[in-house]
Amino acid sequence: GAGVSQSPSNKVTEKGKDVELRCDPISGHTALYWYRQSLGQGLEFLIYFQGNSAPDKSGLPSDRFSAERTGGSVSTLTIQRTQQEDSAVYLCASSIARQGAGGYTFGSGTRLTVV
Amino acid sequence: AQSVTQLDSQVPVFEEAPVELRCNYSSSVSVYLFWYVQYPNQGLQLLLKYLSGSTLVESINGFEAEFNKSQTSFHLRKPSVHISDTAEYFCAVSVSSNTGKLIFGQGTTLQVKP
Repeated sequence: GAGVSQSPSNKVTEKGKDVELRCDPISGHTALYWYRQSLGQGLEFLIYFQGNSAPDKSGLPSDRFSAERTGGSVSTLTIQRTQQEDSAVYLCASSIARQGAGGYTFGSGTRLTVV
Repeated sequence: AQSVTQLDSQVPVFEEAPVELRCNYSSSVSVYLFWYVQYPNQGLQLLLKYLSGSTLVESINGFEAEFNKSQTSFHLRKPSVHISDTAEYFCAVSVSSNTGKLIFGQGTTLQVKP
């Protein structure tokens, strides 16, 4: 597609439920990143996928968070047993270059609210 | 490990005045540097980047940033701001030999007043 597509754009869920957030990167972009943007906290790196390499999961805040990328394209971020502190905007970005030197293209994000 | 510090969380300025948004980074290796902008209710967009070469880089809408290695800074400047520049600005660093993972600063909200 023309840009990075994320769905849903908004998600309200009850504490303790699982949620899945989807990211469809730009066609041909081999690198895909997930970030979390919390109010007043900037952007926090979560996870990085590059081609068929093992993902860099160093930013995942707990084992309730996981992500996969199928066929080197679409990615799903799953949060199990959601907590109120998980409320944030979850941003996906893709990049054509391994080293990200061209800069990322970000999606519009999924605003997650845990009530 | 790399880190980015944006020294001002909010910068109020009147229209047509100059502005500087400050960014300092720490890294023991060479880096790529970026500024991203997030307009209200929109996603992040790349504003400008420094990879190598000339230390002064410019965007298409009049912003510029200068890489200063000795001061480990990458401050963003514009000589005359417009109301439409009101947005949140993020400075970011990527280790040039690494995976391309960006480390972001906390963001600076630029509020342009008429």
